[in-house]
Amino acid sequence: GAVVSQHPSRVICKSGTSVKIECRSLDFQATTMFWYRQFPKQSLMLMATSNEGSKATYEQGVEKDKFLINHASLTLSTLTVTSAHPEDSSFYICSASVSGLADTQYFGPGTRLTVL
Amino acid sequence: RKEVEQDPGPFNVPEGATVAFNCTYSNSASQSFFWYRQDCRKEPKLLMSVYSSGNEDGRFTAQLNRASQYISLLIRDSKLSDSATYLCVVPSNAGNNRKLIWGLGTSLAVNP
Repeated sequence: GAVVSQHPSRVICKSGTSVKIECRSLDFQATTMFWYRQFPKQSLMLMATSNEGSKATYEQGVEKDKFLINHASLTLSTLTVTSAHPEDSSFYICSASVSGLADTQYFGPGTRLTVL
Repeated sequence: RKEVEQDPGPFNVPEGATVAFNCTYSNSASQSFFWYRQDCRKEPKLLMSVYSSGNEDGRFTAQLNRASQYISLLIRDSKLSDSATYLCVVPSNAGNNRKLIWGLGTSLAVNP
């Protein structure tokens, strides 16, 4: 149980385009979903926390207008990287929590974004 | 002191060796701790949770030292499949949000 999927697993796009990443909890309802970014040889950095039906809470330094998060249902959250640039190239990972507690998170397999 | 700090390694050990990683944390109020394992280009996977003095699961033992604010992970009888990056994670209550603070990870390579 507690499976989280992400789509796409890998995406290559041109600079200036927008990319949408989907995160789905397949066998449970996720009150809270988290979006992380990980650059090579660096730690996971939390970008934002989203609760179903409400606006996401962004971490300091993360532009909410650039990284649009929608959590329209208890099983789906999306992250849209708008006007992507090469520096946005990274490994984006989502996680989901049943209880809303950060302690118990189930991670998706990640999406590798490369912006040319 | 960084919120969560780990020796990045890499640790290169032969099969069958015992290896230990340390992780220090800055928030003395932290009550729970986690060790995750991350393989290259994959998502992190929970290896072990630590809520009291320690935890043991097969070849893996985690110990918590609250006085010195560090947790350790001991791997006995290392297998080739143990090669990965081990991430120390500490929940943080920052403002109204509870979130996970991730260490940089310690890289382990188990050699035949």
